[in-house]
Amino acid sequence: AIQMTQSPSSLSASVGDRVTITCRASQGISNDLGWYQQKPGKAPKLLIYSVSTLQSGVPSRFSGRGSGTDFTLTIASLQPEDFATYYCLQDNSYPWTFGQGTTVDVK
Amino acid sequence: VQLVDSGGGVVQPGKSLRLACEGSGFTFRGYGMHWVRQAPGKGLEWLAVVSYDGNKKYYANSVKGRFTISRDNSMNTMYLQMDSVRPEDTAVYFCAGTIGTDYPDFWGQGTLVIVSS
Repeated sequence: AIQMTQSPSSLSASVGDRVTITCRASQGISNDLGWYQQKPGKAPKLLIYSVSTLQSGVPSRFSGRGSGTDFTLTIASLQPEDFATYYCLQDNSYPWTFGQGTTVDVK
Repeated sequence: VQLVDSGGGVVQPGKSLRLACEGSGFTFRGYGMHWVRQAPGKGLEWLAVVSYDGNKKYYANSVKGRFTISRDNSMNTMYLQMDSVRPEDTAVYFCAGTIGTDYPDFWGQGTLVIVSS
């Protein structure tokens, strides 16, 4: 199975900060990568799919880029509602796999 | 679009449990459906997918041979049959559909499974 490694596992940031989360695949996955946001006690929410396509309704401060094995999720200016845990998901080959998650908390 | 998970509860190790996910507000038979779980305090784990017609199924290595995904499109419902459960199967189980994209983009609320004697 393809392993997805996220970094960092957690980070502390302030409102207005630019935040970048990295996801690395154990082998090339083309552009088959999505990003999810999850808040405590809630189901995950799809933010970005196919590396860089913003899901409908997701603010434009979220962006994604990358290809092959290295991918990033960037939040241009962190807002209070963005404190959450973020996961990448590869859908290149079964079994699909999530990264271990990155928790963004208040500095 | 709504997905409602049900069937969770406390089950003894080695026993079986069946989870259900009922969809409404969309053409259920037209879309692939997934199960994803989250152990307490842990990250997300993708478990299984079933194609729109039920003919194709894929599983995570951790549940292959023990769990079975299926669907009944006449009932707008997907299932996860969990056999030979283990304590490490304790988790919130989410169903999700690939409805607007090729990614799980609509999710149920989750149902808690606790494996304990």
